[in-house]
This record gives sequence, structure tokens and C-alpha cells, in this order.
Amino acid sequence: GAVVSQHPSWVICKSGTSVKIECRSLDFQATTMFWYRQFPKQSLMLMATSNEGSKATYEQGVEKDKFLINHASLTLSTLTVTSAHPEDSSFYICSARERVAKNIQYFGAGTRLSVL
Amino acid sequence: GESVGLHLPTLSVQEGDNSIINCAYSNSASDYFIWYKQESGKGPQFIIDIRSNMDKRQGQRVTVLLNKTVKHLSLQIAATQPGDSAVYFCAETLFTNAGKSTFGDGTTLTVKP
Repeated sequence: GAVVSQHPSWVICKSGTSVKIECRSLDFQATTMFWYRQFPKQSLMLMATSNEGSKATYEQGVEKDKFLINHASLTLSTLTVTSAHPEDSSFYICSARERVAKNIQYFGAGTRLSVL
Repeated sequence: GESVGLHLPTLSVQEGDNSIINCAYSNSASDYFIWYKQESGKGPQFIIDIRSNMDKRQGQRVTVLLNKTVKHLSLQIAATQPGDSAVYFCAETLFTNAGKSTFGDGTTLTVKP
């Protein structure tokens, strides 16, 4: 099946630093990737939709300058949390939608971000 | 706005029993529904999907039922196993909305040996 690799799986950083999270589709081309945030015992909250070669579309309330998204190729999207603060600590999950079978999203394993 | 919710936040079943997880959705225009399973500390995993023009779809040990009249979706798991313990999310998708999915709150399934 389609595999999405997300790295790192866990990161701890100091307040004020930036963190980059990578999302790769390993065996398929992903024209669209999604970035979610998930708090403990809660559902997934969509942050932004990333289309290859174009600017990401952010959901209402998500700061685009805070969460920089780049989708430079059909297999790679990155999320950079800039000037991270403790309130940015969360579980970030990416998903990729296959170019051919457009309906299903395949998810990465998630990245646990802890900002000290 | 559109929302997807689940009737019960937790469900506990005995190993070998059948499980039924329910989901209510509010957008009657949704085209497509998916059930995901999320184990602790991991990303969601696709289980089964159903299009809005269907009312039932079966997979291996799982069945999804869609009742558009009452906007209700259910996931049935046959012969539940300990490995089925996880949080289950339903998600609805509207193709005209860039294919974005809206996720429900999740039901935690616990399987007792």
C-alpha cells in the first residue's frame, strides 16, 4: 500500500527556535498533502492544504507566517514551525493524497513537538 | 458549518464480540466517508471507505453502513481482537471542497481479553 514517511517522529526544542518537519510519499506521487495538528485525546484539526508547486491554503485561524509550508515536489512537503513557543507543542501529522486514487489520504506516523 | 461527530466517546468490548462504532455527520452534501484507526502515538490508518451513493461496504472483518436519511455512519468490526484497540475516527469529504476531510471526535475502542 501507499506509504507516507514523516520525520522526525519526535523533536524537543527551545523556545524561539524553528523546527522543520518533512512529509514524503515513498511509493506514489502526491499532488496534495495535508497538515494536521492533534491535541491529546482530540481529533485531527486541519491546518493547511499543500499542493505541489503552489502556495499552501491555510485554514481559518492558522498563522501562515508561523507555520510555513513548502511542497516543492510530488513526493515532499515540509512544515516549518517558526519561532516555536510552548503553546506550539503538539502532535503534527501529515497526509498525502495519491494522484490517481484521489479520494484516500495516507497518513504519516506523526511528529511529537515539545517546545521548552 | 459542517461537522462530524460520534455518539460515544468510548466503547469497551470483550474479545471475540462484534463492535459497532457510530458516527453522525451534518453535511448532507458530503460525497465520501472514511473510517480511520489511530493507535497511540501513531498517525491514522485507513480502514474502509464508502461513497455517498452506497449504503454498505464490506472489508475484511469490517463493514461500513451509511444511512443518508438520518446522516449516520457506522463501522462494524467482527470478532474484535485486542489489536483492534485504538481510537476510531470517521471523516467526511466533500469533493468540491478541495477534497478536504472533516474528522469526527473519535471513539476509543478497548478490547478486553
